[in-house]
Amino acid sequence: DAGVIQSPRHEVTEMGQEVTLRCKPISGHNSLFWYRQTMMRGLELLIYFNNNVPIDDSGMPEDRFSAKMPNASFSTLKIQPSEPRDSAVYFCASSTTVLSYEQYFGPGTRLTVT
Amino acid sequence: AQSVTQLDSQVPVFEEAPVELRCNYSSSVSVYLFWYVQYPNQGLQLLLKYLSGSTLVESINGFEAEFNKSQTSFHLRKPSVHISDTAEYFCAVTPSGGSYIPTFGRGTSLIVHP
Repeated sequence: DAGVIQSPRHEVTEMGQEVTLRCKPISGHNSLFWYRQTMMRGLELLIYFNNNVPIDDSGMPEDRFSAKMPNASFSTLKIQPSEPRDSAVYFCASSTTVLSYEQYFGPGTRLTVT
Repeated sequence: AQSVTQLDSQVPVFEEAPVELRCNYSSSVSVYLFWYVQYPNQGLQLLLKYLSGSTLVESINGFEAEFNKSQTSFHLRKPSVHISDTAEYFCAVTPSGGSYIPTFGRGTSLIVHP
């Protein structure tokens, strides 16, 4: 199994630009999570999907952030417009609630907004 | 709601010394408990988990954690650390029913010196 796949691994963009982060969960997993990791705030849950439906987006910081999961094998996190304070590592994780609730994390996307 | 407290942000030790990383949690419902490890520039990986049964759980690389319900703790231990154990360690809890949303601690940086 290839594990959770995220792209791009690194993204550098200028303030005001749109950024799209992509995630492919592990096949068969029906839950998908987007996290943000910074030194200041640690690991923050942004949004959680179950069976492709957004269940809890209370962690999404602002309307500039949006996430979609059009099918079971693909999700995007979009920031529009981006700001320097959005600089962080963004992780996607998937899990199957049938088994054990443990999460499988992707390698992350390091976003730098200048 | 749940909360997780990792009491030490950084733990420096010498190689072959024992180590304990502390984790306390609070929850109004039963929870499952996890330790994840994050190596530099990588995503989090599950190290070990407690779901039920024996309160002492072990990982394949020599770590162990003990669930103490009365003290609401899940401390991680290793009797002899290696340089390769240098990483960030995260404690996490998930409700054992209903919501599948995990709560992570702020992490403990384990630094193993030669």
